[in-house]
Amino acid sequence: DIQMTQSPSSLSASVGDRVTITCRASQTISNFLNWYQQKPGKAPKLLIYASSSLQSGVPSRFSGSGSGTDFTLTISSLQPEDFATYYCQQSFSTPMYTFGQGTKLEI
Amino acid sequence: EVQLVESGGGLIQPGGSLRLSCAASGFTVSSNFMSWVRQAPGKGLEWVSVLYSGGTTYYADSVKGRFIISRDDSKNTLYLQMNSLTAGDTAVYYCARNGRYDTLTAVYPFFDDWGQGTLVTVSS
Repeated sequence: DIQMTQSPSSLSASVGDRVTITCRASQTISNFLNWYQQKPGKAPKLLIYASSSLQSGVPSRFSGSGSGTDFTLTISSLQPEDFATYYCQQSFSTPMYTFGQGTKLEI
Repeated sequence: EVQLVESGGGLIQPGGSLRLSCAASGFTVSSNFMSWVRQAPGKGLEWVSVLYSGGTTYYADSVKGRFIISRDDSKNTLYLQMNSLTAGDTAVYYCARNGRYDTLTAVYPFFDDWGQGTLVTVSS
């Protein structure tokens, strides 16, 4: 099974900061990597698919990059509504989709 | 507008069974790949099962042989029959539509629509 490891597990930041979250796969997954945002008590929301493609309606301050085993999610200028937990997910080994453990972004 | 509404969660004793439902609107369940994803309290996301449009099913090892995914096309509804439940199955269960991005060389799957989730608590 492909394991996904995110770092850091939690992150403190301020409004306006540039933030980067990292996701590493246990084996190469090309660019089959998605990112989700989850707020407390809510369902996850798709932000980025295929490593760097922005889902419709997602603000352009969100961006993704990477290929192979190492990936990043960047928020260029944090907004108050961005404080949430972020998950990466590999879609290379379908249908056994696996998620990272999550990164909690806090003020 | 796409909408997914789960129901059927609740408190169940270990060893018991429960059936979750996910009523869809705004699209046809039978024309899409549909998944269940769960999240234990305070934990991360875990993919549970998928039902392909053609009827093929897959399960995570943690639920294989105990859970069954199905759909009722006349009701446009997805189900998850959960048997032999244990405390480890305690979680919020989400249904999700599997979207895809097609290029000339690859198909990139993702979960693009989610329900609000239904809580299953397995406890005596």
